[in-house]
Amino acid sequence: AQSVTQLGSHVSVSEGALVLLRCNYSSSVPPYLFWYVQYPNQGLQLLLKYTSAATLVKGINGFEAEFKKSETSFHLTKPSAHMSDAAEYFCAVIPPISGGYNKLIFGAGTRLAVHP
Amino acid sequence: GAVVSQHPSRVICKSGTSVKIECRSLDFQATTMFWYRQFPKQSLMLMATSNEGSKATYEQGVEKDKFLINHASLTLSTLTVTSAHPEDSSFYICSASGWGGIYGYTFGSGTRLTVV
Repeated sequence: AQSVTQLGSHVSVSEGALVLLRCNYSSSVPPYLFWYVQYPNQGLQLLLKYTSAATLVKGINGFEAEFKKSETSFHLTKPSAHMSDAAEYFCAVIPPISGGYNKLIFGAGTRLAVHP
Repeated sequence: GAVVSQHPSRVICKSGTSVKIECRSLDFQATTMFWYRQFPKQSLMLMATSNEGSKATYEQGVEKDKFLINHASLTLSTLTVTSAHPEDSSFYICSASGWGGIYGYTFGSGTRLTVV
């Protein structure tokens, strides 16, 4: 079954430092990949998505992610963390389907803390 | 951009009563809607998928008679938690997908249900 693994349930960085949130998927065929952000008691906001076009995907708020097929990874990065980036981040995948609905499968999430 | 409105944002109900949560797509036709449940500090668990005019497809372990889903139009889906009990207390989030849903999903802002 298709799954997505987020390494590190908690990541803490200093303001201005590089943000790196890791995501690996399990599939022999590249799926569609997404990163979402969730602030407390809110829904999810799409940061970026990979849909088999460019492997380096730029998203909102300065985030970007690179699809690496050889590593089955889709890590999220931001060059300089801001205090407002503190939130929960979810990597999600829509596996290649053979009938049925396109279902988003979420990773366990990574809580990003940004300290002064 | 695509907007999904979810109401209410918070609801407190007595044990044994039923609660209805609405999810509306405001500026697009939502051919498919998904309902998720999220426990504190956990990821999103897909409960069911519904296509407009069809019966919902429930994930394994989700009680169909407990969580009634209606998707009667292309802009509205409802989740009714019937005979709610304290263990049903959770954060419920809907998401909607329009035509060509592989390009991502728009999430509602979530509903915090507390059953007392």
